[in-house]
Amino acid sequence: QKEVEQDPGPLSVPEGAIVSLNCTYSNSAFQYFMWYRQYSRKGPELLMYTYSSGNKEDGRFTAQVDKSSKYISLFIRDSQPSDSATYLCAMTGLRRNTGNQFYFGTGTSLTVIP
Amino acid sequence: NAGVTQTPKFQVLKTGQSMTLQCAQDMNHEYMSWYRQDPGMGLRLIHYSVGAGITDQGEVPNGYNVSRSTTEDFPLRLLSAAPSQTSVYFCASSYSWAPTDTQYFGPGTRLTVL
Repeated sequence: QKEVEQDPGPLSVPEGAIVSLNCTYSNSAFQYFMWYRQYSRKGPELLMYTYSSGNKEDGRFTAQVDKSSKYISLFIRDSQPSDSATYLCAMTGLRRNTGNQFYFGTGTSLTVIP
Repeated sequence: NAGVTQTPKFQVLKTGQSMTLQCAQDMNHEYMSWYRQDPGMGLRLIHYSVGAGITDQGEVPNGYNVSRSTTEDFPLRLLSAAPSQTSVYFCASSYSWAPTDTQYFGPGTRLTVL
């Protein structure tokens, strides 16, 4: 079983829609959760990170973590064509539990149609 | 700042050949890492370094060597290329390992092994 599972999509939505992207994980030692955006043929770039459970909002983006269910989500409000990309979740824990390693999901491909 | 740079952008090798993928950063970052990205597998950690002279293995280290003689450079060596090493390789760096430090990714090297 992979440490992090992510539905690869592809996901296609009309402009202005609310997008929900999700990951599940199996390692209860994970405490830090990140979302990256990767445009075609580019390197990933960090969107936001959250620590432990709860919500975090940054503009049109909201990250949620539910540690009891080992489930994280990224919501994109008022989606724009420029949001079309692959979204990767990543996570890690304290150094004594997970070393210095980050674990990534496979990514979800999103297309926002004008 | 140039950020994280990777060379070459593209490379084709024959089975058994060796080569070095170059990675450099000009942000004085201590933590550097190499990932490979394959369809359906996501980003997988190959090797990482928490500072000059210190390296460690990640999830998929076999067939690869690294060294970190300076803070700026973190080359990845393929010892004897195999078709299974066909992938897109990303180098990343951050100020430290701490999950709260943003990881910056390079543009990637697309490697094909025939």
